[in-house]
Amino acid sequence: DQQVKQNSPSLSVQEGRISILNCDYTNSMFDYFLWYKKYPAEGPTFLISISSIKDKNEDGRFTVFLNKSAKHLSLHIVPSQPGDSAVYFCAAMETGTASKLTFGTGTRLQVTL
Amino acid sequence: KAGVTQTPRYLIKTRGQQVTLSCSPISGHRSVSWYQQTPGQGLQFLFEYFSETQRNKGNFPGRFSGRQFSNSRSEMNVSTLELGDSALYLCASSSLSPDTGELFFGEGSRLTVL
Repeated sequence: DQQVKQNSPSLSVQEGRISILNCDYTNSMFDYFLWYKKYPAEGPTFLISISSIKDKNEDGRFTVFLNKSAKHLSLHIVPSQPGDSAVYFCAAMETGTASKLTFGTGTRLQVTL
Repeated sequence: KAGVTQTPRYLIKTRGQQVTLSCSPISGHRSVSWYQQTPGQGLQFLFEYFSETQRNKGNFPGRFSGRQFSNSRSEMNVSTLELGDSALYLCASSSLSPDTGELFFGEGSRLTVL
């Protein structure tokens, strides 16, 4: 049972445009959501997070939006850069279980010139 | 500050064998968790150790086990290897302060079972 779903395995975006990566979850107990980025041959690195008490969190070119009623979150990257090409994982957790993240299957983003 | 170190980086085993993977967390981090990454499954939580105690466990069979030492270094062991155990095993450490889910991952140990 996949509690966190990323339905788009891949996404291709032109440099300078907006990249939108989507994620859906089913577990109502999740109250904290994160995005991780992974380059080949490296471990995932934390990108941005959002608490369920917010609906938006911004950090530079990266913004995460949370729609609790739809159990949906999205990551916006504006403008997209070639160095953003990586696999992006959405993750969710319940407060107090920070080391036990539930990850989606990932979306491979390719930013083309 | 040195990152999370995992050894070995690559290994090949045959069915029925066992394997031990090692993880050295970031200095000062007392929580170490392990994840399995396979194509199409994303990262799946195996277990988490804090101060030498297993606090959380994922839905993996008993063939998967782990431990943590007093210096926070951790090992995981998989016994009676199966072909389906071929995966990238990732270790992550965290200070849990704040408890925000920000984990620091190592580069992983890629296990191939033949």
